Amino acid sequence: AQSVAQPEDQVNVAEGNPLTVKCTYSVSGNPYLFWYVQYPNRGLQFLLKYITGDNLVKGSYGFEAEFNKSQTSFHLKKPSALVSDSALYFCAVRDMNNNAGNMLTFGGGTRLMVKP
Amino acid sequence: DAGITQSPRYKITETGRQVTLMCHQTWSHSYMFWYRQDLGHGLRLIYYSAAADITDKGEVPDGYVVSRSKTENFPLTLESATRSQTSVYFCASSDGGNPNYGYTFGSGTRLTVV
Repeated sequence: AQSVAQPEDQVNVAEGNPLTVKCTYSVSGNPYLFWYVQYPNRGLQFLLKYITGDNLVKGSYGFEAEFNKSQTSFHLKKPSALVSDSALYFCAVRDMNNNAGNMLTFGGGTRLMVKP
Repeated sequence: DAGITQSPRYKITETGRQVTLMCHQTWSHSYMFWYRQDLGHGLRLIYYSAAADITDKGEVPDGYVVSRSKTENFPLTLESATRSQTSVYFCASSDGGNPNYGYTFGSGTRLTVV
């Protein structure tokens, strides 16, 4: 079975400081990994994904994520946070070798609060 | 504008009433999903569908019914609404033929059962 853990319910950071939102995963095969963002009263929006290749993936709004196979992690990062980055962030995984079809498993979400 | 649309955006209903939430997508994606989002529980999968006329239960299916007679539509029905079904409901779709893609989500329906 595939699973995702986001160990922090909330991350607080000051505007201009770097931010990290943590994600660890468990799959039996090789993972497809995704980050989504949810702004208030909106649906989830795709930020970035890791399928294969370079371990550092760049996505929308200046976000990036680093795939670390040995630590089974896919932490979301941004060098300089903006107040407008304040939102709920979800990590998700799909097992490439899983015959369960097209199912993504989502983490519980991490609320990012960026203070001016 | 093409995409995935949910209706209504907001709904208030009384306990015991039947209510249907609509979801429509324009990409002909084979997979569609219904999630509910509650504080402290993240996203929980209610039902999903791999294709027209193929549906399956997710994590929390009790009290819900789905159908998929056409690829583009995936309505979710609460047969007899209860207060515990007060939640925000999200529909999503995905191209089953290409696992490189994730899900595309609708804007959600906020349902209040009084």
